[in-house]
Amino acid sequence: DADVTQTPRNRITKTGKRIMLECSQTKGHDRMYWYRQDPGLGLRLIYYSFDVKDINKGEISDGYSVSRQAQAKFSLSLESAIPNQTALYFCATSVGDRGGELFFGEGSRLTVL
Amino acid sequence: AQSVTQLDSQVPVFEEAPVELRCNYSSSVSVYLFWYVQYPNQGLQLLLKYLSGSTLVKGINGFEAEFNKSQTSFHLRKPSVHISDTAEYFCAVSLSGYSTLTFGKGTMLLVSP
Repeated sequence: DADVTQTPRNRITKTGKRIMLECSQTKGHDRMYWYRQDPGLGLRLIYYSFDVKDINKGEISDGYSVSRQAQAKFSLSLESAIPNQTALYFCATSVGDRGGELFFGEGSRLTVL
Repeated sequence: AQSVTQLDSQVPVFEEAPVELRCNYSSSVSVYLFWYVQYPNQGLQLLLKYLSGSTLVKGINGFEAEFNKSQTSFHLRKPSVHISDTAEYFCAVSLSGYSTLTFGKGTMLLVSP
């Protein structure tokens, strides 16, 4: 089984719908992240959490919210999806003593029609 | 804040030829540097990292990178590529274990027979 698991792996939805992407990890890491990947733009940070009570905005947090339900679970929500949120979303984890090295899930591909 | 520039969006190369993927960063303080690879329809995995010590870093699959502080560069090299190296490669930087990772826009390596 994967150390960082994302669900769903693929989702097609309509404009205005609420969507939740979930991430769970078995690595025991304190830190969790949500990134968005768009062709030609690389990965951009949406939100991150350094422990259960810590939530921080990243570079592109508008239109998104997160919840850290437990050390092992970090979910990303789109309250009202719009087409330009169509992208590949990655969850990642890290520990503090490895320079920020990230361990990624396999991604969730979201299409908003 | 730190930033990363990957100078080539696409690098076509023939099998068994050498390749260099270029990465430059900007930061006024010491950095940690990473190269990640993303194979088609997969998540990102770590190729190699520079935290401290020797400026020549060896990674998986025969890749290596050299940290050049004066040039603020961390170019990735492989002396002989294989078809299976076809993937997107991302350079990333962090300022410390307590900062987040910033990614470049990626370089697609296309290896042909």
